[in-house]
Amino acid sequence: QVQLVQSGAEVKKPGSSVKVSCKASGGTFSSYTISWVRQAPGQGLEWMGRIIPILGIANYAQKFQGRVTITADKSTSTAYMELSSLRSEDTAVYYCARDLGGGAPAPFDYWGQGTLVTVSS
Amino acid sequence: DIQMTQSPSSLSASVGDRVTITCQASQDISNYLNWYQQKPGKAPKLLIYDASNLETGVPSRFSGSGSGTDFTFTISSLQPEDIATYYCQQYDNLPDTFGQGTKLEIK
Repeated sequence: QVQLVQSGAEVKKPGSSVKVSCKASGGTFSSYTISWVRQAPGQGLEWMGRIIPILGIANYAQKFQGRVTITADKSTSTAYMELSSLRSEDTAVYYCARDLGGGAPAPFDYWGQGTLVTVSS
Repeated sequence: DIQMTQSPSSLSASVGDRVTITCQASQDISNYLNWYQQKPGKAPKLLIYDASNLETGVPSRFSGSGSGTDFTFTISSLQPEDIATYYCQQYDNLPDTFGQGTKLEIK
């Protein structure tokens, strides 16, 4: 079955960067779109951006433009989300999620288990 | 960005009750609306897609309706395992946006 397995928790200093991975198995990675959604403690869900590996295209929410980079390695079926210039407000659980839309609207039918990123001095 | 207004923010109901949550979009999103369930410490789970389609394996007590700007999510008979927070999500236009969530508790 399809699984998205994310890398482990991270503790980072303000101003640094973090890179979270999301490894897919059980399906055809090239047919996926992988989005990244974050959730601050006790808060709701916030879409950050996505990548369409087969097209090599990434889209980002305006809020994160310039600070986030989403990439994918088709050879290892792994997507990455790198967030730079970290501040305390970036403390959150970061999720990857899959859809099969190929860039067209599609629901997130599988999610990773989440990665807690803590930003603290 | 499309704003999603979800209500109520919290809800207390008894086992067996019919529960309804609403979600309103700031502009027409056709039927590009999903509903997710999130239990504490877990990732969200897709329940309803395209406003009214039940995801495979999801119990039939869950349902969704609506189109355009106004949407409804219903649990026909609340079960103890339905305790969770529920989110609507529009995916008509990027960025995808979510409602604020409805925390459902047992009375």
